[in-house]
Amino acid sequence: SQTIHQWPATLVQPVGSPLSLECTVEGTSNPNLYWYRQAAGRGLQLLFYSVGIGQISSEVPQNLSASRPQDRQFILSSKKLLLSDSGFYLCAWSVKGGPGETQYFGPGTRLLVL
Amino acid sequence: AQTVTQSQPEMSVQEAETVTLSCTYDTSENNYYLFWYKQPPSRQMILVIRQEAYKQQNATENRFSVNFQKAAKSFSLKISDSQLGDTAMYFCAFMNPLMIYNQGGKLIFGQGTELSVKP
Repeated sequence: SQTIHQWPATLVQPVGSPLSLECTVEGTSNPNLYWYRQAAGRGLQLLFYSVGIGQISSEVPQNLSASRPQDRQFILSSKKLLLSDSGFYLCAWSVKGGPGETQYFGPGTRLLVL
Repeated sequence: AQTVTQSQPEMSVQEAETVTLSCTYDTSENNYYLFWYKQPPSRQMILVIRQEAYKQQNATENRFSVNFQKAAKSFSLKISDSQLGDTAMYFCAFMNPLMIYNQGGKLIFGQGTELSVKP
């Protein structure tokens, strides 16, 4: 069966510090991968998605970036965090060609920027 | 542009009773997918149910079922025999298959309905 991991689970960082959040998927190959952000427990905003290694598309211009160095690894980064980067970050995966490209989510990372 | 609207920010239901959560969407596409996700206090998003627009039959998963009204662009979720573990935020989401090939499958979410199941 497939599983998705995210770490860290919780992170408190000062403004201006760098960020690296990691997401890995097990039990599948060549998935589509996604990063979402959820603020204030409402509505998810798609930040990045990837259809393959090294292939990243950005939905929202911001000071965040994403990379996919391996097939089942997706990394969200920032060189300098802003207060507005605080939120709950969710990684998701889907099977290419699966019904509705149904997305399955990881446990998430709570990020607080102070 | 596609939009998803959940008009009930909060709802409550007594344990063992039935509750219906509303969702409407706006699209000009004929073929698409609709989803309900559950987000319990742990905040992990869990898939509850999926509906393909080309299927007339409403999807069901155990105690969860949907009422899909394509002409009305309505997609409500019915939870039968509510349990305390059903307490969560519920999100309705829309997927346009054409976006899968262009945008890797972008889910468009509603703002959520917070459901409390009371003992």
